[in-house]
Amino acid sequence: SQQGEEDPQALSIQEGENATMNCSYKTSINNLQWYRQNSGRGLVHLILIRSNEREKHSGRLRVTLDTSKKSSSLLITASRAADTASYFCATDASGSARQLTFGSGTQLTVLP
Amino acid sequence: GAGVSQSPSNKVTEKGKDVELRCDPISGHTALYWYRQSLGQGLEFLIYFQGNSAPDKSGLPSDRFSAERTGGSVSTLTIQRTQQEDSAVYLCATGGGKSYNEQFFGPGTRLTVL
Repeated sequence: SQQGEEDPQALSIQEGENATMNCSYKTSINNLQWYRQNSGRGLVHLILIRSNEREKHSGRLRVTLDTSKKSSSLLITASRAADTASYFCATDASGSARQLTFGSGTQLTVLP
Repeated sequence: GAGVSQSPSNKVTEKGKDVELRCDPISGHTALYWYRQSLGQGLEFLIYFQGNSAPDKSGLPSDRFSAERTGGSVSTLTIQRTQQEDSAVYLCATGGGKSYNEQFFGPGTRLTVL
């Protein structure tokens, strides 16, 4: 079964609004990563947050990590129609990307 | 190109036939992964190669699935006697380069078993 579970499963917002997606996991991790997938094809790495970090920013992306609650959130600010995609969290227990465990994803739709 | 490539991009086959899916990794990446993604679902780990070490086959769903990586570079995923439930997108990813913790994905092969 997937360790990372995202919620919501689907999110629809208006362009310009912020989008928040959450991820929960079950075991200890070295780092947690967020990926984006367009149209059911390849995934693109967005951001990585290590277990000793609590918050990280990259452009319009903000990721938080709460290891005590085993949860993470991805915030996309000032969303654009081009942000429409599926977003997956992936946990890395080993620290060497030996095996990432992916969640089932959040489908984000940004309406123009 | 500089990214991971996969071929074919789409494959339609009849139940019972064998199929081979190919992955060309990023040069210098020592790790190579195969995942399966069913429609609307997350990624299911299949197999992992790291350098010359024995592959981690723990995710292969049955003995109809096998994979090899020749010379530490190109990898082939083979599905024998395909079944309709094998229909999915098969994604290859590589890692172990400068961005050590990140995986770089190919565009996938969409397999349809009729």
